[in-house]
Amino acid sequence: SQQGEEDPQALSIQEGENATMNCSYKTSINNLQWYRQNSGRGLVHLILIRSNEREKHSGRLRVTLDTSKKSSSLLITASRAADTASYFCAARVLGGTDKLIFGTGTRLQVFP
Amino acid sequence: GAGVSQSPSNKVTEKGKDVELRCDPISGHTALYWYRQSLGQGLEFLIYFQGNSAPDKSGLPSDRFSAERTGGSVSTLTIQRTQQEDSAVYLCASSPTTGSAGELFFGEGSRLTVL
Repeated sequence: SQQGEEDPQALSIQEGENATMNCSYKTSINNLQWYRQNSGRGLVHLILIRSNEREKHSGRLRVTLDTSKKSSSLLITASRAADTASYFCAARVLGGTDKLIFGTGTRLQVFP
Repeated sequence: GAGVSQSPSNKVTEKGKDVELRCDPISGHTALYWYRQSLGQGLEFLIYFQGNSAPDKSGLPSDRFSAERTGGSVSTLTIQRTQQEDSAVYLCASSPTTGSAGELFFGEGSRLTVL
């Protein structure tokens, strides 16, 4: 499969808790991106981390990248009901055409 | 336009018919992607148009699928002799750069149902 793998496939938490989603990929990358998808709608870019970076923050989001393990994680702190959505990682493949390959996604449900 | 526009938003067709899906990217964006998303699944890469370079067609699942991008702007994804397994949401995305730094801006997708 050309897709990366994400786990868990689904995650349910209470408002105020933290949510952690993990992503593994198969190839060497230039960068890794995270996107959010509300049900039945298009995806929205959240954050990008370059291959030479190990951690990046944006508001309540924290992304880590371990290129030796070909893995990344997305942490959402102090979650809100409005964070309910599917989250996808996307790996910018190094070399070739630099295409962007998406993972399988994590469905996050935040209960008020 | 303000964002990536896709049409039709919904298409129901009979098995064996041809369909065309259209994508209008954000003005000035040089890169354009097509992805396919089956119900509850991740995004499957189909094709990547990268400015004036030859498109990366490595994700097209069969020769029934083709895509073109005219004048570096509008793109059309064509599926010939549709099959039931082609039913999915087809997502288009554009990016301001063909370089590796670009984030993608997605349209709302075209939902295809093949009966």
